[in-house]
Amino acid sequence: NAGVTQTPKFRILKIGQSMTLQCTQDMNHNYMYWYRQDPGMGLKLIYYSVGAGITDKGEVPNGYNVSRSTTEDFPLRLELAAPSQTSVYFCASSTTRGEKLFFGSGTQLSVL
Amino acid sequence: AQSVTQPDIHITVSEGASLELRCNYSYGATPYLFWYVQSPGQGLQLLLKYFSGDTLVQGIKGFEAEFKRSQSSFNLRKPSVHWSDAAEYFCAVGEATGANNLFFGTGTRLTVIP
Repeated sequence: NAGVTQTPKFRILKIGQSMTLQCTQDMNHNYMYWYRQDPGMGLKLIYYSVGAGITDKGEVPNGYNVSRSTTEDFPLRLELAAPSQTSVYFCASSTTRGEKLFFGSGTQLSVL
Repeated sequence: AQSVTQPDIHITVSEGASLELRCNYSYGATPYLFWYVQSPGQGLQLLLKYFSGDTLVQGIKGFEAEFKRSQSSFNLRKPSVHWSDAAEYFCAVGEATGANNLFFGTGTRLTVIP
């Protein structure tokens, strides 16, 4: 099983550019999450979804957008990239709230 | 507000020695508590979790953790560390009800020396 797959693994953006980080899971999980991890910091929740068509903000949603049109996919959109968005981004999924999170291998994003 | 404190940024232990990683949390209600491990360049993997019941929780790879409500702690232990345990360890607290957020600590990096 593939689990949670994130693409791309690495990306460099210029300030003001936009991009979409892709996340797909093949475990039929209802819950999906986007986290960012900054050096020396814990993970911060950006957005989450409890099912197709339902999304909500986490701790640090500013500068990001998400959509959930299918159970499998949960893309994260950066509209106007800023240096403060340089980070490692992790997508995760779970069967329900409070249960084990399955993480993707991350996307390292640099905004220069 | 919920928060998690991991007071040790970096710990070095000898292979075969015992290990304890500290985690303190701040939470008003009954928390869900987790320990995750992250190997370099990888996502996080769940080691163990506590929801309720027995306060000593067994996890994968020989790890265990003890929930102490009076101390607001959830320390991770292993009796004998292996070189493959070198990684970053994160404690997290989640809500038993309400929103879906997990609050992560800043992590403890474990180095294992031969």
